This record gives sequence, structure tokens and C-alpha cells, in this order.
Amino acid sequence: GAVVSQHPSWVICKSGTSVKIECRSLDFQATTMFWYRQFPKQSLMLMATSNEGSKATYEQGVEKDKFLINHASLTLSTLTVTSAHPEDSSFYICSARDPEGGSIGYGYTFGSGTRLTVV
Amino acid sequence: AQSVAQPEDQVNVAEGNPLTVKCTYSVSGNPYLFWYVQYPNRGLQFLLKYITGDNLVKGSYGFEAEFNKSQTSFHLKKPSALVSDSALYFCAVREASGTYKYIFGTGTRLKVLA
Repeated sequence: GAVVSQHPSWVICKSGTSVKIECRSLDFQATTMFWYRQFPKQSLMLMATSNEGSKATYEQGVEKDKFLINHASLTLSTLTVTSAHPEDSSFYICSARDPEGGSIGYGYTFGSGTRLTVV
Repeated sequence: AQSVAQPEDQVNVAEGNPLTVKCTYSVSGNPYLFWYVQYPNRGLQFLLKYITGDNLVKGSYGFEAEFNKSQTSFHLKKPSALVSDSALYFCAVREASGTYKYIFGTGTRLKVLA
């Protein structure tokens, strides 16, 4: 079935530095990928929708300049948290849409998530 | 606007007993409904979906859900709970067109007691 690989699974960085999270579709081409943020004991908040070859669409309240999203190929989307601060610490999850429909989640597969801790 | 509600933050059930995790939804058109499970520090795993057809949907790990259009509900059920079912469960509705974004409920933590 469709597999989405997300790396790293966890990262600790110093305040003020930038961190890049990768989301790869391993056996399909993902024209659309989604980035979510999950706070402890809370639901997933959609941050942005990225489409291959075009700019990401950010949800209201999400800072575009802080959370840079790049979807340069059909198998890779990256989320870069720039000038990270402790309040950016969270669990980030990506999701990819398989344009062929797939058999899981009606064409959607989620990555295993990245735990970001900013100290 | 589409929305999903999971009225219970936590559900406790004894092992071997039936379990129900509630979900209600609000959509303007036909709903595409999903249940996902999340284990600690992991991504979401697909359990089951309702797109069309039979109201009773069977999914992974013995879970099933019943789509009830009149009550706008999509409750998750399992006849006999296992301790290993303890996890965080999310109900989600997806747009039928456009960007196909998921709207997630707030999640329900299921705790199965041995």
C-alpha cells in the first residue's frame, strides 16, 4: 500500500535555529501534501496544503514566513521551521494524497510524525 | 462549513466489553467520513471510512462504524475491547471536492482496563 515516510521522527534544536522536516511518498507520486500540527492532548490542526510545483496554501493564523513549505517534486515536501522558539515545540504530521486513489483512507496516507522540541 | 464533534474526551471500558466512541458531523453535501487511531508519538493509522453504500462499515482490527444520516453520526464500535486498543481515536470528515482537506475531531482517548 501507499507509504509516506517522514523524517526525522524527533528533533531537538536550539532557539533561533531552523529545522527541516521531510515528507516523502515512497511508492506513489503525491500531487498534494498536507502539514498538520498537533499540540499535546489536542487534535490535529491543518497548517497548510502544498501542491507540487506551486506555492503552499496556508490556513488562517499560520505564519508563512515561519513555516516554509516546499513541494518541489512529486515525492517530497519539506516543512522548515525558521528561527524556532520554544512555543514551536509540537508534533508535526504530514499527509499525502495519492492521485490514483489508493486503497487506504480513500487516497490519503499519513506520515509517522516528527516531535520537535525547541530548547 | 464542515465540522466534526467528538463529545467525549475519554472513554473507559473493561477488556472484553463492547466499546463505542462517538462522532457527529456537519457537512453541506455528502459526507466522506473516516476514523483514525493514533498511538503515542506516532502518526495516524487508518481504521475505516464511509464514502457511500452500506451504513455499517467494517474496518481494521475488528472495528466497525455505523453511518446514521438522520442523526448525522458516525460512531466507532467494537464488540469486544482489547487492552491493546487503548489509544487516541480521531473522527474526520473530508471535503468532497476542492483541496480535499480533512477536518478532524478533537479526539477521544480510549482506555481499556484489564
